[in-house]
Amino acid sequence: KAGVTQTPRYLIKTRGQQVTLSCSPISGHRSVSWYQQTPGQGLQFLFEYFSETQRNKGNFPGRFSGRQFSNSRSEMNVSTLELGDSALYLCASSFVAGGRGDTQYFGPGTRLTVL
Amino acid sequence: DQQVKQNSPSLSVQEGRISILNCDYTNSMFDYFLWYKKYPAEGPTFLISISSIKDKNEDGRFTVFLNKSAKHLSLHIVPSQPGDSAVYFCAASVPASKLTFGTGTRLQVTL
Repeated sequence: KAGVTQTPRYLIKTRGQQVTLSCSPISGHRSVSWYQQTPGQGLQFLFEYFSETQRNKGNFPGRFSGRQFSNSRSEMNVSTLELGDSALYLCASSFVAGGRGDTQYFGPGTRLTVL
Repeated sequence: DQQVKQNSPSLSVQEGRISILNCDYTNSMFDYFLWYKKYPAEGPTFLISISSIKDKNEDGRFTVFLNKSAKHLSLHIVPSQPGDSAVYFCAASVPASKLTFGTGTRLQVTL
């Protein structure tokens, strides 16, 4: 079974631009969660989508948004990029929503650098 | 407000010895705890978990201990192997909600 895939793997943008990241979950998984990883903050939860509906949201500004398509693929968008948005963005898929973590499978992440 | 804390950013242990990674939490509503392992350029992978109704869970070389009164979680790896060198994240959750992760501890197992 193919794992979680994220595209692109690396991205360089400048301040003020916007960016869209993509995540394809494991086949059959309907929940996709997004996390931001930075050196000082660890992994911080952005949001979770299940069956095209946002189920849970972390404490991030409205510049961070997401969506999920009917095939469970998910996209995350960040508008008006700031230097502090430079991070590794991870998505994780699971079969059920609000999974207990041991059922979540992470992708390799997208490394975003904002200049 | 960091509800899950890993106060040691790094740890170095000799091969064959015990590695002990620590994690503290502040939210008494957390009822499920997990450890993840992360290699460079890969996503975190689930390692071991423990429910708040238990104080110990073992899986091969990995044992997780939970001290609810101290709000403290630890991961023991015995014996440590070079392939265990990675960043370890602890995480916690309340029922049917998101995971809250710590900041990670980089473990280096030396020969």
